[in-house]
Amino acid sequence: NAGVTQTPKFQVLKTGQSMTLQCAQDMNHEYMSWYRQDPGMGLRLIHYSVGAGITDQGEVPNGYNVSRSTTEDFPLRLLSAAPSQTSVYFCASSYSTGAYEQYFGPGTRLTVT
Amino acid sequence: AQRVTQPEKLLSVFKGAPVELKCNYSYSGSPELFWYVQYSRQRLQLLLRHISRESIKGFTADLNKGETSFHLKKPFAQEEDSAMYYCALRDSWGKLQFGAGTQVVVTP
Repeated sequence: NAGVTQTPKFQVLKTGQSMTLQCAQDMNHEYMSWYRQDPGMGLRLIHYSVGAGITDQGEVPNGYNVSRSTTEDFPLRLLSAAPSQTSVYFCASSYSTGAYEQYFGPGTRLTVT
Repeated sequence: AQRVTQPEKLLSVFKGAPVELKCNYSYSGSPELFWYVQYSRQRLQLLLRHISRESIKGFTADLNKGETSFHLKKPFAQEEDSAMYYCALRDSWGKLQFGAGTQVVVTP
């Protein structure tokens, strides 16, 4: 049972490039979410999903796309990277929206130059 | 709009001293509050939630609806308590709103 996995661990992009951050969980969790962590701002919700085929925007969705074609995977796409997207990105999952605990992945550190 | 405020960015305490991390919130409904912790080189993980009213690793937190606070306390800090602590509020849709975090450093 690997829990929540994220790839890559580190990534450097040039402004304007696109990429996909991968997130997978093997706990059969319905609820998955993406956060970005910035100094002094805590974790802010980017997008979330309450089940396969259902996604919605969080607090800071601009510049990011998500899809949820399977229960296990929840990739985050950066459409055209900008320096303001330099951050640490965390994926999390929980059994349902009513579950009290979210399980976090190890994070992806992204730098956009 | 819901909001979680952690006024201290950094808290430095001596081993054996009490430690209190402040958290204030604003929320129109009935709040569900949590403390998450991130130890160095580890994942963010749940420390405790207000509903359970339990003590985890010696930490307790009491929800005070009158003062809209959910402060985290431990009577005797240990070196292994050094970490980043986040207060979080969950809305009725299951989304978590995090505070800015407090870095705790316990020195021997």
